[in-house]
Amino acid sequence: DAGVIQSPRHEVTEMGQEVTLRCKPISGHDYLFWYRQTMMRGLELLIYFNNNVPIDDSGMPEDRFSAKMPNASFSTLKIQPSEPRDSAVYFCASSAGGGYTFGSGTRLTVV
Amino acid sequence: AQSVTQPDIHITVSEGASLELRCNYSYGATPYLFWYVQSPGQGLQLLLKYFSGDTLVQGIKGFEAEFKRSQSSFNLRKPSVHWSDAAEYFCAVVRYNQGGKLIFGQGTELSVKP
Repeated sequence: DAGVIQSPRHEVTEMGQEVTLRCKPISGHDYLFWYRQTMMRGLELLIYFNNNVPIDDSGMPEDRFSAKMPNASFSTLKIQPSEPRDSAVYFCASSAGGGYTFGSGTRLTVV
Repeated sequence: AQSVTQPDIHITVSEGASLELRCNYSYGATPYLFWYVQSPGQGLQLLLKYFSGDTLVQGIKGFEAEFKRSQSSFNLRKPSVHWSDAAEYFCAVVRYNQGGKLIFGQGTELSVKP
């Protein structure tokens, strides 16, 4: 298995632009998580899905953030409009039976 | 509320010395516990996990961790540190009766002196 695949690896965008981050979980995993990592706040859970259904989005910082999981093999995290304070590394992870596997992350820079 | 505490933000040890990284959690029941390692610019790699059974858990790269219910701790240990162990280490917990949320501590950065 190729593991959890995130794209792009790096994204630089201008303030106000829409940003879409993508994640392909491991086949057969029924949970998918989105995390944000910053120096100040560490690793924060933004939202997670179970069987493609959002279970807890209490970590989503603002209405500018939205996440979808249209099927078991794909999820997106969208920021619209983006702001400089959204600059961070965004990780996707998938899980089944207690094993959590993380993608390599997307480093987002908003200028 | 769910809480994971890693009291040490930064630790420096000499190569060849032993290592212990602390992790405390606050729950009423036994959670599932994990240690991850992150090298600069990289993702998170699972070192070991504890679900039940033997409270001393062996992981990859020579690491081990011990679950102590009485102290609500899950400290990570290694008998002899290598320069390549320099990285950030995260303790994490999950309660499956709350839907499997994996919550991380703030991390401990490990530096290794030659």
